[in-house]
Amino acid sequence: KQEVTQIPAALSVPEGENLVLNCSFTDSAIYNLQWFRQDPGKGLTSLLLIQSSQREQTSGRLNASLDKSSGRSTLYIAASQPGDSATYLCAVPGGGADGLTFGKGTHLIIQP
Amino acid sequence: NAGVMQNPRHLVRRRGQEARLRCSPMKGHSHVYWYRQLPEEGLKFMVYLQKENIIDESGMPKERFSAEFPKEGPSILRIQQVVRGDSAAYFCASSTTAAYEQYFGPGTRLTVT
Repeated sequence: KQEVTQIPAALSVPEGENLVLNCSFTDSAIYNLQWFRQDPGKGLTSLLLIQSSQREQTSGRLNASLDKSSGRSTLYIAASQPGDSATYLCAVPGGGADGLTFGKGTHLIIQP
Repeated sequence: NAGVMQNPRHLVRRRGQEARLRCSPMKGHSHVYWYRQLPEEGLKFMVYLQKENIIDESGMPKERFSAEFPKEGPSILRIQQVVRGDSAAYFCASSTTAAYEQYFGPGTRLTVT
């Protein structure tokens, strides 16, 4: 059974700092990994999808890496802004035939 | 290209009533997934459907819950005889293929009184 753990559960940093969010998963037989953002009371916004054959994926100030063999992914946010405040979720296939298994998320607060 | 659409956005039902949640996938997407987010808990997979077929319902409670994705029209998640423990946010996602990126709708927040 796939399990996903995200560390830290919560993080508060001053604006402008670079930060790293961590995600680990127990079953390395995945074909992709997705990072999402969820704002309070809202749906999920897909940030990055990394295929199992890739090691990194970048979008603007976001960079996600994947080490499939060790069951780890990181999301790097450069030059953080107050608008980055949200809950960040990591998800991998394994929640069903093709359903996603989610971590509980990292609640991020960027202080102005 | 409109994103995944869900309605209603908020739904209030009394215990024992039925709840019907609708999801229209993104244009060109034929794979639909339903997830539930209970208060203070993570998102949990419920069911995966393609047009007219349930592919995997391993995450769906055996009783009172059902899902369909007809040839025409939206996917429907139906909860019969709702109980307070069904209060949650229900999210729908869609994708072009089974192994590709999933796009989520805004969710339906169900409150059972």
